[in-house]
Amino acid sequence: DAKTTQPPSMDCAEGRAANLPCNHSTISGNEYVYWYRQIHSQGPQYIIHGLKNNETNEMASLIITEDRKSSTLILPHATLRDTAVYYCIVRAMEYGNKLVFGAGTILRVKS
Amino acid sequence: GAVVSQHPSRVICKSGTSVKIECRSLDFQATTMFWYRQFPKQSLMLMATSNEGSKATYEQGVEKDKFLINHASLTLSTLTVTSAHPEDSSFYICSAPTTGGNEQFFGPGTRLTVL
Repeated sequence: DAKTTQPPSMDCAEGRAANLPCNHSTISGNEYVYWYRQIHSQGPQYIIHGLKNNETNEMASLIITEDRKSSTLILPHATLRDTAVYYCIVRAMEYGNKLVFGAGTILRVKS
Repeated sequence: GAVVSQHPSRVICKSGTSVKIECRSLDFQATTMFWYRQFPKQSLMLMATSNEGSKATYEQGVEKDKFLINHASLTLSTLTVTSAHPEDSSFYICSAPTTGGNEQFFGPGTRLTVL
């Protein structure tokens, strides 16, 4: 079962920051927070992951609360091509550990 | 990032036939691969874990005799849908973790349509 809760959908204006929340109140100490996205009819694409510190890469930033019970994925300047389903997943970082997908958040970026 | 490919990307078959889908890790080795199924407007559902050199591990409710998995090498896993029926029509996606397990890369998916 998915161990995260996300809003079903969000809208964002093109060029603005998209902030996608995720609740993971039952996260274990050895579990990381992963974010993937899926553009229509494609395989999921890895975005970012983190344990407890905030992380940033060329795609996005990940902000994890101090108690690690929630996190926010930030797309700093959303474009139309960022329209996708975004999945927040918690997983222990061991080789062979599976990713269990929840319903995700449909992000619609509008011009 | 690492690349995972799937073949074919799209297949249409008649009811009762078997269909084989290949998943390859192109630039890294994967002793484990995962197979997912996705119905329209739904999330990905994990079907099974493919293990190189040993039997696959199936999720609850997934028929192992219907969905045959063979992990023939460190870069190839195959999923065979046997005696396919229209209800097996779906988007099948595989994934493979990198050696350290930090990231998991997904294939582009295979669209199966059973007539």
